[in-house]
Amino acid sequence: AQTVTQSQPEMSVQEAETVTLSCTYDTSENNYYLFWYKQPPSRQMILVIRQEAYKQQNATENRFSVNFQKAAKSFSLKISDSQLGDTAMYFCAFMINSGYALNFGKGTSLLVTP
Amino acid sequence: ETGVTQSPTHLIKTRGQQVTLRCSSQSGHNTVSWYQQALGQGPQFIFQYYREEENGRGNFPPRFSGLQFPNYSSELNVNALELDDSALYLCASSFRRGAGIDTQYFGPGTRLTVL
Repeated sequence: AQTVTQSQPEMSVQEAETVTLSCTYDTSENNYYLFWYKQPPSRQMILVIRQEAYKQQNATENRFSVNFQKAAKSFSLKISDSQLGDTAMYFCAFMINSGYALNFGKGTSLLVTP
Repeated sequence: ETGVTQSPTHLIKTRGQQVTLRCSSQSGHNTVSWYQQALGQGPQFIFQYYREEENGRGNFPPRFSGLQFPNYSSELNVNALELDDSALYLCASSFRRGAGIDTQYFGPGTRLTVL
């Protein structure tokens, strides 16, 4: 079974600052995919970034980047130049290569303050 | 491009009743997955439909069932509702192309309250 752990239930950051959200996972699989999804208070889940485990290069998407450490089974999300609109729940999720189900962590609630 | 839509937005039922939730997949997508998100938790996978058949199922009892239609839209049916079924139900669509996995895109959800 695959498990995803987000150890920070809540975080706060000031506008324009950088924040890092942590995620660890447990799997015996070698081929898998990792995701960060954002769920604003309006509740629609939005894909932030995706990382293929076979790629050594960390994924980036504008102000969002990940630090993927395969050996440590760690997948953290860095948000640079935080904006008020980044306030949301952030979920880390995992899917094996032949799979169909996303396994989600419990989420980290991020508050960006002026 | 039309995103994933779900209806209704909110629903209130009583214990023992049955409910049907609906999902229209994003344009160009052929696969629909359903998730249950309890308050303060991450989503839990219920099942996935591809080519009108159930393609995989999570740890949910048989009273949770679904359908996929030729236009790739989908329904989630829950019979004999229990209080613990109160949750946000999320639908996600994706395009299955064979090898690899498909990124899932979510709808806004249906908030179900069971009294």
